Amino acid sequence: DTGVSQDPRHKITKRGQNVTFRCDPISEHNRLYWYRQTLGQGPEFLTYFQNEAQLEKSRLLSDRFSAERPKGSFSTLEIQRTEQGDSAMYLCASSPVGFEEKLFFGSGTQLSVL
Amino acid sequence: DAKTTQPNSMESNEEEPVHLPCNHSTISGTDYIHWYRQLPSQGPEYVIHGLTSNVNNRMASLAIAEDRKSSTLILHRATLRDAAVYYCIPRVYNTDKLIFGTGTRLQVFP
Repeated sequence: DTGVSQDPRHKITKRGQNVTFRCDPISEHNRLYWYRQTLGQGPEFLTYFQNEAQLEKSRLLSDRFSAERPKGSFSTLEIQRTEQGDSAMYLCASSPVGFEEKLFFGSGTQLSVL
Repeated sequence: DAKTTQPNSMESNEEEPVHLPCNHSTISGTDYIHWYRQLPSQGPEYVIHGLTSNVNNRMASLAIAEDRKSSTLILHRATLRDAAVYYCIPRVYNTDKLIFGTGTRLQVFP
């Protein structure tokens, strides 16, 4: 169990640029989640996958955000035309199927939009 | 989703017990109560969960009120490594996601 891996750990970008983050879940986990966290707040749910199917997207997820999990393994989260309000920690988590199952989180990608 | 109320912050001395309260008065009968914590510069990590009975594991104990409107996370002997934000999360039955509040920031002093 190598844990959930996220890359990069930090990303600085200029407003208007596109950015992409990657998440590698624990290998046998079917579910993969994306959350966003700003300073002083708890993580906010963005979206989640079961295998390659995206099952739910939060209303917080604007059209500029897109997430994929093409082969049911790693996932990418892309933000197009970044805005300063997108500055946050983006967290990925994975879990087995089952609502009692615990989520395992990565250490996140810290995005700063200048 | 059930709303939760937790103190913004709490303090403890090392090696003392810590009781972290959570009110979840709108919880439904099938919602499990999950606790996660987030250490500085890390993602959240699972601590414990339960439905009705009190639960123990190697990290903590969870005491659930008989009416299930509140619960208490108990750290039996706080260590410096327990300094973190603790989140109480009622997980709606058959819901796949966790909805985090703002949690309780625990400070532990040597």
